[in-house]
Amino acid sequence: QVQLVESGGGVVQPGRSLRLSCAASGFTFSSYGMHWVRQAPGKGLEWVAVIWYDGSNKYYADSVKDRFTISRDNSKNTLYLQMNTLRAEDTAVYYCARDRSRRGADAFDFWGQGTMVTVSS
Amino acid sequence: EIVMTQSPATLSVSPGERATLSCRASQSVASSLAWYQQKPGQAPRLLIYGASTRATGIPARFSGSGSGTEFTLTISSLQSEDFAVYYCQQYNNWPRTFGQGTKVEIK
Repeated sequence: QVQLVESGGGVVQPGRSLRLSCAASGFTFSSYGMHWVRQAPGKGLEWVAVIWYDGSNKYYADSVKDRFTISRDNSKNTLYLQMNTLRAEDTAVYYCARDRSRRGADAFDFWGQGTMVTVSS
Repeated sequence: EIVMTQSPATLSVSPGERATLSCRASQSVASSLAWYQQKPGQAPRLLIYGASTRATGIPARFSGSGSGTEFTLTISSLQSEDFAVYYCQQYNNWPRTFGQGTKVEIK
């Protein structure tokens, strides 16, 4: 069965960095586009970034552009989110999600359980 | 960016009744519209994609309709497990955007 397991969350000071990981299993990871979506406490869902199946294309939300970098290692079946220059408003649960297509052009059919990131001094 | 607006914010429904949730896009998204269900402490779950296609394992009481800018999610007969928050999302344009959610609560 499809499984997505995020890790790497925690408490970090403003301005610092954090890297999230999402370990995938139960499907051919290299055949799917992958996303990061976040949810601030008590708020709705915010799309963060997408990476194509082969890593050739990436898109970001304006709120994280130039600070966050999405990447993937298809040999390790793992998705990453490098988060730099963190701000208090980045505090959220971060979910990885699988796209139904290779190029992130469809809905998100499987989600991980999420990892909490708290940015606070 | 495309703004997705859901209404109502909260819907109070009795078990067994019908629930109708609306989602409006600020510009056409064709049929590139998905609905997700989220329960407290859980990740979202895909219900509907392509505006009207049920995802794998989703009961037939869930149905989606619409195209362009106006979309509807209907739950024909609410079960206890359906009380949750529902989000619409467009995937026609970048950035992908979600509605603010509709909470379906027990009346």
